[in-house]
Amino acid sequence: DTEVTQTPKHLVMGMTNKKSLKCEQHMGHRAMYWYKQKAKKPPELMFVYSYEKLSINESVPSRFSPECPNSSLLNLHLHALQPEDSALYLCASALGPSHGYTFGSGTRLTVV
Amino acid sequence: DAKTTQPNSMESNEEEPVHLPCNHSTISGTDYIHWYRQLPSQGPEYVIHGLTSNVNNRMASLAIAEDRKSSTLILHRATLRDAAVYYCILRDPYNQGGKLIFGQGTELSVKP
Repeated sequence: DTEVTQTPKHLVMGMTNKKSLKCEQHMGHRAMYWYKQKAKKPPELMFVYSYEKLSINESVPSRFSPECPNSSLLNLHLHALQPEDSALYLCASALGPSHGYTFGSGTRLTVV
Repeated sequence: DAKTTQPNSMESNEEEPVHLPCNHSTISGTDYIHWYRQLPSQGPEYVIHGLTSNVNNRMASLAIAEDRKSSTLILHRATLRDAAVYYCILRDPYNQGGKLIFGQGTELSVKP
């Protein structure tokens, strides 16, 4: 298995909703990442997990809450989002800091 | 984070070689040069990376200048499926977990 799987592929949520994005990999990668990408812009790093511990938070608002329940799974919990949070959310994983990343296809989120 | 400079866009013809340039004059000794590409409606895809020597793989070749202040990604025979945004990224595996920070990239179009 050489993939990063993200679910759901599309999500529409209201500003008062709570939802979660899920990311899964079975490549034995110990580093996992969340990125946010707006249209026609490059991906922006949000969070880095290393060996299931949060190692980097790029000053992301608290309405985004990451969680790494085990080495294969990464979640992003969403609460009280704003319309400007609508974007493509990408998950990635890597074997280590000197290895290439494998990205998922992303979750396209729309906040209404 | 060390910066890279790439042309905003480039055009190529199908079945011809493509040379995508990247300048990184402030590169440090521990920075690896990574290339990723992002096809429309997909997550980024790892292409190649190197430190000092030129590198080849099944997707592309990476030519690194002797002073490491610039590099060139070479696609040997462009196909229509190579139309994508190509990102040149410096990544230090010894600094902040080797996080990957994307710049604006080069949008490559391939004409039949």
